[in-house]
Amino acid sequence: GAVVSQHPSRVICKSGTSVKIECRSLDFQATTMFWYRQFPKQSLMLMATSNEGSKATYEQGVEKDKFLINHASLTLSTLTVTSAHPEDSSFYICSASRDNDQPQHFGDGTRLSIL
Amino acid sequence: KQEVTQIPAALSVPEGENLVLNCSFTDSAIYNLQWFRQDPGKGLTSLLLIQSSQREQTSGRLNASLDKSSGRSTLYIAASQPGDSATYLCAVRESGSRLTFGEGTQLTVNP
Repeated sequence: GAVVSQHPSRVICKSGTSVKIECRSLDFQATTMFWYRQFPKQSLMLMATSNEGSKATYEQGVEKDKFLINHASLTLSTLTVTSAHPEDSSFYICSASRDNDQPQHFGDGTRLSIL
Repeated sequence: KQEVTQIPAALSVPEGENLVLNCSFTDSAIYNLQWFRQDPGKGLTSLLLIQSSQREQTSGRLNASLDKSSGRSTLYIAASQPGDSATYLCAVRESGSRLTFGEGTQLTVNP
């Protein structure tokens, strides 16, 4: 089956640090990748959609300068949380899809804790 | 704006019971509907995907139905096991490939 790898699984860092999270599709080419944020006991909130080679589309209320997304190849997308603060602490999950007819496959998520 | 609602929010059953999880959505113009399982602190595992033209999908002890006109889907789990304990999320996919998720049903199957 389709596998999406997300790294790191957990990050603990000081306020003001920038943190990069990687999302890789291991056995398929993903034309589109998605980044979600999940607060405890809540559902997933879509942050942005990224297509290979083009700028990401951010959802309303998501700061594009805060959450930098790069989708440089068909197998890799990165999310960089710039100058992270405690309120950015959350569970971040990526997903990847071959195309619109195919399901999204999710990574295992990254638990980000900002001290 | 699409809204997805899942009922119940939490469910606790004894092992062996058959159970039904419900999902409703407000805009019937969907591309497909997907059921996921999420274990604590983990990502999502896709369980079943139903295209908008389909009525149901089955995988092992799981059966998902879709009534697009009424905006409803159900996930039926037969002969539940403790290993089925997890949060179950449904999500609808509209044009442009975005998914809108429900809040999930937290299922506990007691031995």
